[in-house]
Amino acid sequence: VQLVESGGGLVQPGGSLRLSCAASGFTFRKYTMSWVRQAPGKGLEWVSGIRGSGDSTYYMESAKGRFTISRDNSKNMLFLQISSLRAEDTAVYFCAKPLTPGRLQSSFDFWGQGTLVTVSS
Amino acid sequence: EIVLTQSPGTLSLSPGERATLSCRASQTVSSTYLGWYQQKPGQAPRVLIYGTSGRATGIPDRFSGSGSGTDFTLTISRLEPEDFAVYYCQQYGYSPYTFGQGTKLEI
Repeated sequence: VQLVESGGGLVQPGGSLRLSCAASGFTFRKYTMSWVRQAPGKGLEWVSGIRGSGDSTYYMESAKGRFTISRDNSKNMLFLQISSLRAEDTAVYFCAKPLTPGRLQSSFDFWGQGTLVTVSS
Repeated sequence: EIVLTQSPGTLSLSPGERATLSCRASQTVSSTYLGWYQQKPGQAPRVLIYGTSGRATGIPDRFSGSGSGTDFTLTISRLEPEDFAVYYCQQYGYSPYTFGQGTKLEI
């Protein structure tokens, strides 16, 4: 199993960014995938999840309206579009695979290495 | 949202000693939906325990989890040098799937 995130970088407040996660080594379409973030020196925060079919999405409260999770099962790719970026969105963003296929309610058994998003002028 | 409070914030122990880490939830969490992770500096988290007491693949048996309701515990029976890290609990029973703030286990 491998998860490789990309798309992070330095963005001005109010800007937008699209994060990607390339998955391999498992049947991607069978797994609900999530994004988890970690601000510098802080703890972990679950951000969003998406069902294997892509037809159901879930967000933490502060992500609703600004974050959009999506996936392309034909390319084994997971995405997170973030708009109206704020300083408090500065974090390493990890994509995470659940232990149990087909379930959002599962611990994460594989994580990517993360991609850093820095929001600053 | 369910708030998870971990204690202590920092735990100072020596190799060979026993470590007991606590995770308290602001409301009842089904034991099916409580997990523990280990994170070392510059690395992604690694799952240790799922479903309160299930040991993930490849995790040594010195790691064990227990608890129910609102109180959960991760126990490391005999600390090895590689166990010094930050540990997080997570509940994934109710969205948003919250994490505790972490316990730093230091030498």
